[in-house]
Amino acid sequence: ETGVTQSPTHLIKTRGQQVTLRCSSQSGHNTVSWYQQALGQGPQFIFQYYREEENGRGNFPPRFSGLQFPNYSSELNVNALELDDSALYLCASSSGIREQYFGPGTRLTVT
Amino acid sequence: DAKTTQPTSMDCAEGRAANLPCNHSTISGNEYVYWYRQIHSQGPQYIIHGLKNNETNEMASLIITEDRKSSTLILPHATLRDTAVYYCIVSRLNTGTASKLTFGTGTRLQVTL
Repeated sequence: ETGVTQSPTHLIKTRGQQVTLRCSSQSGHNTVSWYQQALGQGPQFIFQYYREEENGRGNFPPRFSGLQFPNYSSELNVNALELDDSALYLCASSSGIREQYFGPGTRLTVT
Repeated sequence: DAKTTQPTSMDCAEGRAANLPCNHSTISGNEYVYWYRQIHSQGPQYIIHGLKNNETNEMASLIITEDRKSSTLILPHATLRDTAVYYCIVSRLNTGTASKLTFGTGTRLQVTL
């Protein structure tokens, strides 16, 4: 148990729809990073939020966007879903430069 | 960030030491070596990290060669619960915030009776 929670656990969406995934960071952590993990692959960095501001972005299109709230929880939004967006979405929280603590992930299936 | 190379899979008998190698020949002077593992259907779990000195914690030991071009993660007494995919990651330590981790495909460690 890392204290990082994600919701929902699973969901199924149709191509073209929009989805919002949520992450509650561990108490005291001010940084949240989001990763996408396709089946059989390692996680790929999407973006990071630090004190409510985006602090770095990986090679993902603008239809992937996020927010961080004053309590440091975070959302990942994906617009115009594509079949290739089917993956496990992981968030990780951290404090300063210390190690990252990952949540259990949200399994998104796009049909 | 520097690229890492790991074996695709390894086996280890329960109770024996598991030694997981990682090559990172293009590592820069300000890049750290991190190890995470991912047990099936769970999020990755931090294990250990180091710059150039060997490191040990309650989970594992990290041995980094003097030229820093390779490292070995050692699980001293592997158990069935250590069966997982192990990722070796090289990343700069950011100023103030966590590093952006670049995961490869890792080493699948199977611990057997």
